Amino acid sequence: AQTVTQSQPEMSVQEAETVTLSCTYDTSENNYYLFWYKQPPSRQMILVIRQEAYKQQNATENRFSVNFQKAAKSFSLKISDSQLGDTAMYFCAFYGVNYGQNFVFGPGTRLSVLP
Amino acid sequence: DADVTQTPRNRITKTGKRIMLECSQTKGHDRMYWYRQDPGLGLRLIYYSFDVKDINKGEISDGYSVSRQAQAKFSLSLESAIPNQTALYFCATSDLLGTEAFFGQGTRLTVV
Repeated sequence: AQTVTQSQPEMSVQEAETVTLSCTYDTSENNYYLFWYKQPPSRQMILVIRQEAYKQQNATENRFSVNFQKAAKSFSLKISDSQLGDTAMYFCAFYGVNYGQNFVFGPGTRLSVLP
Repeated sequence: DADVTQTPRNRITKTGKRIMLECSQTKGHDRMYWYRQDPGLGLRLIYYSFDVKDINKGEISDGYSVSRQAQAKFSLSLESAIPNQTALYFCATSDLLGTEAFFGQGTRLTVV
């Protein structure tokens, strides 16, 4: 079974600074997707960024980028130029294309951006 | 209008009552999921469905049942609600490859 671990229950960062959220996962699959989802106080789940396991290049979306280390099974999210609107719960998630075929989520990291 | 719609948004019910949470989608996806969110535990899978005739248990299916009435509709039932089923419930959909999960707005359920 796949598992996803987020070792930082809470983090804080000053506005305009950079912060990195950690995620590790365990799987025997070779074909999978990794995701970071954001959940603001509105409780809506919003996709931040996606990484395909077969791609060596790290995904980026504006101020958000990932460090995907496949051999280490590590998938961290870097938020640059943090904004107050980045305050939210962040969930790391895994989807195995060949086995399971459902989304497995980590416990989440609560990020607070301080003015 | 939202692509994935859950009703109700919030619900308070009494122990022992039967309750149904409904989910409908306009994404045209075959795959639908029900998750439960608890603080410190993230989202845990209750049931998932790959099509109308294919329904599978997730890691925490005890105490829950589901019905896939059509491609677009997937309902979650609590036959006899208990207080530890108090949680935030999400319905989600995805395409066949799982390239993204699309979520409803969530249902906050409180069992008293």
